Amino acid sequence: DTGVSQNPRHKITKRGQNVTFRCDPISEHNRLYWYRQTLGQGPEFLTYFQNEAQLEKSRLLSDRFSAERPKGSFSTLEIQRTEQGDSAMYLCASSKESSYNSPLHFGNGTRLTVT
Amino acid sequence: GNSVTQMEGPVTLSEEAFLTINCTYTATGYPSLFWYVQYPGEGLQLLLKATKADDKGSNKGFEATYRKETTSFHLEKGSVQVSDSAVYFCSRLREGGSEKLVFGKGTKLTVNP
Repeated sequence: DTGVSQNPRHKITKRGQNVTFRCDPISEHNRLYWYRQTLGQGPEFLTYFQNEAQLEKSRLLSDRFSAERPKGSFSTLEIQRTEQGDSAMYLCASSKESSYNSPLHFGNGTRLTVT
Repeated sequence: GNSVTQMEGPVTLSEEAFLTINCTYTATGYPSLFWYVQYPGEGLQLLLKATKADDKGSNKGFEATYRKETTSFHLEKGSVQVSDSAVYFCSRLREGGSEKLVFGKGTKLTVNP
């Protein structure tokens, strides 16, 4: 169990630029989640994949955000035309089964700063 | 709505003190409830859970009981250690088969020797 890996750890970008983050889940986990966390708040759900299918999306995920998991393994989260309000920690998690039965394993996150 | 409210921090205790972190939830039914913990420099990890009313989740000396009468899931530990210093998040699953976890704001605990 090598854990959930997220890259990069930190990203600083200028407003209006596009950024892409990568998440590598635990290898046997078929479920993958993206959350966003701002300072002083708990994580907020963004989206969820089962294998390569994106099954849930939050209303927080505006049309500037897109997530993919093309082969049911790693996932990418892209933010286009970044805004200062996008500054946050982006967390990825994976689980073996439904979160009703199986704990989520979180990565250490990618911290995005939009200047 | 579907929300989780937990005690504001930070909380500072001496080693071997008793810990309570309050958590209440709103729901139309009986959601599954969880406590996640984030140790310094690490990702969030599940501490304990309860899936139905009157269930007690327990792990590492921590306990929480699912109380439907008070819609609460308070976290307790009888004797905290320095290694328990972390941020604790209460959370619940949305009902209706959703995989979305709803988290509280987190409570930072510092335990001094």
